[in-house]
Amino acid sequence: QSVLTQPPSASGTPGQRVTISCSGSSSKIGYNYVYWYQQLPGTAPKLLIYQNNQRPSGVPDRFSGSKSGTSASLAISGLRSEDEADYYCAAWDDSLSGWVFGGGTKLTVL
Amino acid sequence: EVQLVESGGGVVQPGGSLRLSCAASGLTVSSNYMSWVRQAPGKGLEWVSDIYSGGNIYYADSVEGRFTISRDNSKNTLYLQMNSLRAEDTAVYYCARDIQPPGIGSGMDVWGQGTTVTVSS
Repeated sequence: QSVLTQPPSASGTPGQRVTISCSGSSSKIGYNYVYWYQQLPGTAPKLLIYQNNQRPSGVPDRFSGSKSGTSASLAISGLRSEDEADYYCAAWDDSLSGWVFGGGTKLTVL
Repeated sequence: EVQLVESGGGVVQPGGSLRLSCAASGLTVSSNYMSWVRQAPGKGLEWVSDIYSGGNIYYADSVEGRFTISRDNSKNTLYLQMNSLRAEDTAVYYCARDIQPPGIGSGMDVWGQGTTVTVSS
């Protein structure tokens, strides 16, 4: 069982807005930044969001992140077929001195 | 171009050993915060180990005492020595880099393509 909790699946139609949640404890999400990674089928993870809501260069502004208390969310607007992937949230665990990940959410574009 | 290339994966029997390598180009391993992250078949991501630019080293409880992370600055390469391997260590192993201290910076922005480790008799 993952330390951070994500729904196992999400879906939407092209053009729709979809949100993926990520919840954890105060010692992880509560006091630390949340990061989001996108993993397309058969490829390595790719950094999508850092420091809760910042996008690395090259990531479309259709992707946005937010955090409130011990929960975080990834929103994808204007859904496209190429967004079909697994999405993982991550946060630093001070007690572990390591990263903890959510179990991943498989996004299907209908 | 900034790139990480893992190698060294393979099939090994339970109790065996394997050493993974992560060769870097376009970045200096010793100046970054380097991580190993693994993904078991059909499962999610699991952090394995970090080595900081200053030399601090951290391990997940699941590999503590069995795995050793290191780097060779002259070869600009990161390593993961894996001993006493178990079936549950079967996974794709990725190396990744973070420019700033993990958890407060810009995240793991460069990843390798991964190398597959299968532990089976």
